[in-house]
Amino acid sequence: GAVVSQHPSWVICKSGTSVKIECRSLDFQATTMFWYRQFPKQSLMLMATSNEGSKATYEQGVEKDKFLINHASLTLSTLTVTSAHPEDSSFYICSAPWGSDTQYFGPGTRLTVL
Amino acid sequence: AQTVTQSQPEMSVQEAETVTLSCTYDTSESDYYLFWYKQPPSRQMILVIRQEAYKQQNATENRFSVNFQKAAKSFSLKISDSQLGDAAMYFCAYGSGNQFYFGTGTSLTVIP
Repeated sequence: GAVVSQHPSWVICKSGTSVKIECRSLDFQATTMFWYRQFPKQSLMLMATSNEGSKATYEQGVEKDKFLINHASLTLSTLTVTSAHPEDSSFYICSAPWGSDTQYFGPGTRLTVL
Repeated sequence: AQTVTQSQPEMSVQEAETVTLSCTYDTSESDYYLFWYKQPPSRQMILVIRQEAYKQQNATENRFSVNFQKAAKSFSLKISDSQLGDAAMYFCAYGSGNQFYFGTGTSLTVIP
């Protein structure tokens, strides 16, 4: 299957700083990528859809100015958590569709905000 | 709106035995896909099996098979000859176009 990578796998930052998370499709091009947030022992919650060459589409309740998404190329999408606070601590997962239907997921990024 | 329901928050199975995880969904679409993903402690989401809604034949991948009942909107996962490495969270998912919806997950414990 297709491979999606994420970097970093774990990041700790101070409150008020910004953190960038990268999502890359390694062996295929992805005009669309998805960003999810997952709390412990819960399901994945879709945050936004990242579109190459255009603005991201955010789900209801997700702050656009807090979670900045940039899809700079056909293999790279970035999620920047701006002015991070402890409540932003979570596990962030990206995915990319391969073929017409299947989503392949990155390994996730654990964000801890002190 | 599409919804995916997993009514079993936790399940356990004896090693080498068979276990079935339940999933139901709601949709008005006729063309869609269904998936089971496994999330082990590493938290990497791994595709276990996929089913195309227009195919009547149930998908099978080695020890994993599904029972797809389109009219009942049911999509259960059967794991045969359970192994310790099968212990994980299992998420049922519905996909149509680029829209993806997940169930709340079932935590599977495999007892040695």
